[in-house]
Amino acid sequence: GAVVSQHPSRVICKSGTSVKIECRSLDFQATTMFWYRQFPKKSLMLMATSNEGSKATYEQGVEKDKFLINHASLTLSTLTVTSAHPEDSSFYICSATKREGLPDTQYFGPGTRLTVL
Amino acid sequence: SQKIEQNSEALNIQEGKTATLTCNYTNYSPAYLQWYRQDPGRGPVFLLLIRENEKEKRKERLKVTFDTTLKQSLFHITASQPADSATYLCALSGNNRLAFGKGNQVVVIP
Repeated sequence: GAVVSQHPSRVICKSGTSVKIECRSLDFQATTMFWYRQFPKKSLMLMATSNEGSKATYEQGVEKDKFLINHASLTLSTLTVTSAHPEDSSFYICSATKREGLPDTQYFGPGTRLTVL
Repeated sequence: SQKIEQNSEALNIQEGKTATLTCNYTNYSPAYLQWYRQDPGRGPVFLLLIRENEKEKRKERLKVTFDTTLKQSLFHITASQPADSATYLCALSGNNRLAFGKGNQVVVIP
């Protein structure tokens, strides 16, 4: 199997607060984890790539101080949206690749719906 | 510039028929091409991977073709069922990352 979980599935927060989203690979060790955001009827936009124990690599235009990524272990990565604003409201999805898996194949979590009031 | 194009219009199809989706790309040379399914409010689910040296790949009722000359992949769902209704995403892979198309919605009418 290749099950990825995310927590929480849905969060509503006030503007200016920080929100942490967890991504876990439940039955495998993830070589790499990815964080995406998705707007309605739009494609997934890669935000950053992270490997266990090293700093995340952010895509162009993604503020690393705004979207903090911590990849503490081979099964856990967290995304913290700091000082959230309404424009940060989106669907955030993480994914992971397996060491023994098909090349570049990613296993996705169920997503987290963030609403910033 | 690099582009991955999928039809933005939903494909409405009668149950039992074959649904065919197209993915065209420009300015990419992917080693692999993948197809994912995404249901509303959920993360994508991997369906199939096809390599650049493969012309066709099948999995149960799904068939994918890959033409690197045309820079196109076709995704077929045979004997479609209402449960196949979802958005299907094409993804090009290379350098341990994926670039996704916007997806093409399929609606299977009972």
